[in-house]
Parts: sequence; C-alpha cells; structure tokens
Amino acid sequence: RKEVEQDPGPFNVPEGATVAFNCTYSNSASQSFFWYRQDCRKEPKLLMSVYSSGNEDGRFTAQLNRASQYISLLIRDSKLSDSATYLCVVILNSGGYQKVTFGTGTKLQVIP
Amino acid sequence: DVKVTQSSRYLVKRTGEKVFLECVQDMDHENMFWYRQDPGLGLRLIYFSYDVKMKEKGDIPEGYSVSREKKERFSLILESASTNQTSMYLCASSEGANTGELFFGEGSRLTVL
Repeated sequence: RKEVEQDPGPFNVPEGATVAFNCTYSNSASQSFFWYRQDCRKEPKLLMSVYSSGNEDGRFTAQLNRASQYISLLIRDSKLSDSATYLCVVILNSGGYQKVTFGTGTKLQVIP
Repeated sequence: DVKVTQSSRYLVKRTGEKVFLECVQDMDHENMFWYRQDPGLGLRLIYFSYDVKMKEKGDIPEGYSVSREKKERFSLILESASTNQTSMYLCASSEGANTGELFFGEGSRLTVL
C-alpha cells in the first residue's frame, strides 16, 4: 500500500460547482497534514494546513479524519483559476527530523 | 519572501556524465529536500538534510548523492547519469522540525540522452 494515496482524476467540473478530494495515508503515527497546489509547469505551493477540528479558508475547507486515516479538501463555488493539481502532504516527525510524503496529486479542471 | 533558487532550469546531458544540481535558499532554513517528479508517480523524495553536513536517504536514493557543506546550499549529484534519471528535479526547504510548509524552487528539468 502506498504511504499516501490520491485519486489522480482529472475532475472536470463546471464553474460554480462544489468539488471534494480525498487523500488516504497508511501510517497512523503521521502528525501533520497539508494541501498543496501545483499549477502546470510550476512548483508546488502550500494551499492550507489540515487540522483535526477542520479548517476553512474562504471557499476551501480541509478536514482530517484520524480514525479512518484520510484528509479531505472541499472547494465551493469553483473558479476557472482553481484549475490545478492538488497534492496532499503527510508529515511524520521521527528522530528529530521530518519525513515529508506527497501524494501523486489530483488534477482539477474547472470548465466554463 | 523565501526564495529557493535552483541553478539550472533546463539541462541536457549524456549517459555516463556527472551532473550537479545546485539549490540555494535564503531564509536560513534547517531542512532541505530533493525530489523528482514524474507523470503518474508524483513527487518522490531522493534525499533530505536537516542540518549542515547531515543527510538522510529518502525513498529513491539509488544513483544519487548529495552534499550540504553550507546551511543555505544543498547539491544533488548524479555520479553517472542514466536515461531513467530524465525527470523534473525539485528542491525545497523548510524551517524546522514542526513546520509543514515547504518552499520549492522552480525546478530543474534534466534530460539524459
């Protein structure tokens, strides 16, 4: 089983739609979770952190379910500019350093 | 703003050549990482370093080595490049043990002929 798994998509959604991505992780000792966004031919950039209590940033909501070992990202009222690949990131702190593992990414295409 | 600079955006090398990929960060970050990114495989960790002169193997270290002689610089070395090392290489840095924000360079696209 991969350490971090995501549905590669693509998810093709119309503008204004709500779309959700999930990401599962295999190591229950993982401690920190994040969503990154990567535009075509660009480097990944942090989108938001993911907390157990859930957190929201504008149209974006991230949630963590430790019992089922998955994180989710919900995008409401999709914009054309949301088209990108969304990467989940799982961090395990071990021996004084971080092991940072990326999912393979979920591609989102928002269509007019 | 944090800046992570990779020395070359595009490189073309021949099989068997030695390749150096340089990465410099300007925010005094402790952690530095080298990833390669391939279609369908995502980002895979090659090596990382959490301090000067320290290095740890990632998930796919074979065929690579690294050097961190100064805190701001983390170099990836391909001793003898092979065609299966054709890829996008991404360097990243982060502040400490408990932060998840990695700052990436723009990437170096390496083609090995």
